[in-house]
Amino acid sequence: QVQLQQWGAGPLKPSETLSLTCAVSGASFSHYFWTWIRQAPGKGLEWMGEVTHRGSAIYNPSLKSRLWMSVDTSKNQFSLRLTSVTAADTAVYFCASMDYYYMEFWGTGTTVTVSS
Amino acid sequence: QSALTQPRSVSASPGQSVTISCTGTSGDVGGYDYVSWYQQHSGGAPKLMIYRVTQRPSGVPDRFSGSKSGNTASLTISGLQAEDDGYYYCCSHGGNKDLLFGGGTKLTVL
Repeated sequence: QVQLQQWGAGPLKPSETLSLTCAVSGASFSHYFWTWIRQAPGKGLEWMGEVTHRGSAIYNPSLKSRLWMSVDTSKNQFSLRLTSVTAADTAVYFCASMDYYYMEFWGTGTTVTVSS
Repeated sequence: QSALTQPRSVSASPGQSVTISCTGTSGDVGGYDYVSWYQQHSGGAPKLMIYRVTQRPSGVPDRFSGSKSGNTASLTISGLQAEDDGYYYCCSHGGNKDLLFGGGTKLTVL
């Protein structure tokens, strides 16, 4: 059974850096791409980017200048760092597996609040 | 404004059928057979319902079906049940290796 367990830091202030990690179990880490998707309060889903098991990443152009994704294959984990956060980055952040542009397995989501 | 256009809401009674549309362009929905659909309840994690336009993951009832014509993809739910109530999002590969979502459709089972 594939499980994605995610965690990250608590409330953030504007200009700080958001860091999240997702641990994968029950799946071949090298089989999938690994992606982050977020959902602002009352809004729809937004694809943030994806990273391969080799660490090669593709980012949403709207976030590219602030976003970094990485992997730790020794732990079957992948991570996200988003710099210079603002209130607009307040959202629930989901990690997920990606295969041929669809997401089958999801983490439970992490609520991130940015407030001064 | 989302890249893919969905109706904000649809409704139907139990036992009836409903279709949710997802309109894009030839650069995304119309250009690739990489449309997927997700169900979301009360802000929880989305659940994959359809992938590659028409494919159903294991465990998803065959009441759910997907199709595509030109730049518009559709999700049809037949024999509606109360548990189908929720939000539905379409997603498509958008070229340049990116993903696009629709704005979401609230399905109300009356």
